[in-house]
Amino acid sequence: SQQGEEDPQALSIQEGENATMNCSYKTSINNLQWYRQNSGRGLVHLILIRSNEREKHSGRLRVTLDTSKKSSSLLITASRAADTASYFCATDAYGNTGKLIFGQGTTLQVKP
Amino acid sequence: ETGVTQTPRHLVMGMTNKKSLKCEQHLGHNAMYWYKQSAKKPLELMFVYSLEERVENNSVPSRFSPECPNSSHLFLHLHTLQPEDSALYLCASSQDRQANTEAFFGQGTRLTVV
Repeated sequence: SQQGEEDPQALSIQEGENATMNCSYKTSINNLQWYRQNSGRGLVHLILIRSNEREKHSGRLRVTLDTSKKSSSLLITASRAADTASYFCATDAYGNTGKLIFGQGTTLQVKP
Repeated sequence: ETGVTQTPRHLVMGMTNKKSLKCEQHLGHNAMYWYKQSAKKPLELMFVYSLEERVENNSVPSRFSPECPNSSHLFLHLHTLQPEDSALYLCASSQDRQANTEAFFGQGTRLTVV
């Protein structure tokens, strides 16, 4: 069954704007991870946030986690055309160690 | 470059063919995975290997047969596939199956079954 669901499915913004993507999940988790995928290529890990963390930063990325709402958000600040890609959240469900369940992803287009 | 290499990058095969996908990692990871990515669908976990032992098989049809001869290599043997098996097949590895570890993905094999 699908665990993570991203919202929106597609997002188009201008370079320099911020992009926010959301992820909701259904079960208790050990951690939640965000990955990026350029068209037709492999996934690249961006950031991992543990269930006892609320916010994490990495460069222009900011991830929040609200376990009470079973949701996470990924914020990309000052977006660049090179940020154009699909972004996926993946959850490591509690009791299912190491088994990442992915959502369908958000396709982000950043226009120059 | 993530350290996980998949070959071939593209594969076209007939429904009666037998082919194999190869995945290689030299990251010292103990867990390796096969995922299937079809259009408009989430990534589907197919198989999980931990220390060369298969620990997960997510109801994958028997026409897909994985093999893990050592901790650095993972294969997916394909035979009598169907057109609906056309997809991007992704291999990944992680330090182990414990929680709180990231996965490193290969670039994938784009498989087309004709």
